[in-house]
Amino acid sequence: EPEVTQTPSHQVTQMGQEVILRCVPISNHLYFYWYRQILGQKVEFLVSFYNNEISEKSEIFDDQFSVERPDGSNFTLKIRSTKLEDSAMYFCASSQAEDEQYFGPGTRLTVT
Amino acid sequence: QKEVEQNSGPLSVPEGAIASLNCTYSDRGSQSFFWYRQYSGKSPELIMSIYSNGDKEDGRFTAQLNKASQYVSLLIRDSQPSDSATYLCAVNRDDKIIFGKGTRLHILP
Repeated sequence: EPEVTQTPSHQVTQMGQEVILRCVPISNHLYFYWYRQILGQKVEFLVSFYNNEISEKSEIFDDQFSVERPDGSNFTLKIRSTKLEDSAMYFCASSQAEDEQYFGPGTRLTVT
Repeated sequence: QKEVEQNSGPLSVPEGAIASLNCTYSDRGSQSFFWYRQYSGKSPELIMSIYSNGDKEDGRFTAQLNKASQYVSLLIRDSQPSDSATYLCAVNRDDKIIFGKGTRLHILP
């Protein structure tokens, strides 16, 4: 069964450093998303991406965040200058249409 | 008003019984509704989607939607210890999913 994959599973970085989180969505899916979940809190939407552009973003997704689909398979989330409060699980998701979204296993980001 | 509300639990249900999970949402224009299961330290796993009023059954799971009351529920029949997890109610709005905080379900052996 096809699935969303994410790398790395755990990333530790120092405050102020740039990080890139990588995702490979399900191959025939057209819509891509990033969510985050701070420990003990709910899953929060960050951004949706379709047809090579951002279609929706939340207030969390400020100028420090960017997304890219550099080739036909990868979808990346970049945080330019990490803060302590960026520590969270980051989930990539994909969907065939604007409906059921399937989540990857997540990347745990720890900012020290 | 919170967009998607769930009782945080824990909800304790004996093995073999029916677990009933409830959710309300605030945006009357929402069209798509989902239940995800999340084990501790893992990602959300889609278990049910529902788009129209009424019931939708899939194996031991039944989702119920009442748009007039802005209410979604999930019934799990013949509960198993492996059903112990946090269940997330989610609503699709403007090309994003809004999640509730989740209800922790504990199945008692």
